[in-house]
Amino acid sequence: QMQLQESGPGLVKPSETLSLTCSVSGDSFTRSGYYWDWIRQPPGKGLEWIGGIYYGGATTHNPSLKGRVTISIDPSTNRLSLELTSVTGADAAIYYCARRRNWEGIDYWGQGTLVTVSS
Amino acid sequence: DIQMTQSPSSLSANEGDRVTITCRASQGIRNELAWFQQKPGQAPKSLIYAASNLQSGVPSRFSGSGSGTDFSLTISSLQPEDFATYYCQQYSSYPFTFGPGTKVDFK
Repeated sequence: QMQLQESGPGLVKPSETLSLTCSVSGDSFTRSGYYWDWIRQPPGKGLEWIGGIYYGGATTHNPSLKGRVTISIDPSTNRLSLELTSVTGADAAIYYCARRRNWEGIDYWGQGTLVTVSS
Repeated sequence: DIQMTQSPSSLSANEGDRVTITCRASQGIRNELAWFQQKPGQAPKSLIYAASNLQSGVPSRFSGSGSGTDFSLTISSLQPEDFATYYCQQYSSYPFTFGPGTKVDFK
């Protein structure tokens, strides 16, 4: 059974870097045709796609985040990572990782992790 | 970026009602549209991909249709567990974008 689990600090200071990890079980990052996405949702608001990575390492990011995003994968540990630099209050959200299939969209989501930005 | 709109933004319905939510893209996205269901305090759940294909395990009372710019999600007979917020998402062109959501609550 496919499972994704996000983890990371729940509190980040303004201007610092947010680092999150998504542990994947039940599948392998090396399977072709699969992408791994990060999506976020400010409390009480809608969903925003942050970016994604293909198993070969090619990444795509949302330009709205102005180059602050780094997404990587570690096939040896089946972990997906997100780094978001220079955070502000606007980055406070629930962050989700998700698996996406080529031409078939997202099929599995993690449960999400809440990130608060405060000094 | 492709803008996604949904209507209505919210609706009230009774158990057993037929409910339809529409989603429109600002430009053609072929059939590269997904629908998600989200209940309070939970992660989104994938319902439909490629506009009309049910994800594994999704009840057959859910159906999707459309292509190009206009899409719809229909629940044929609303069940108590279906009261939730529904989002569409286009995955045709980066950056992928979501609709603002449609909240379905009890009349």
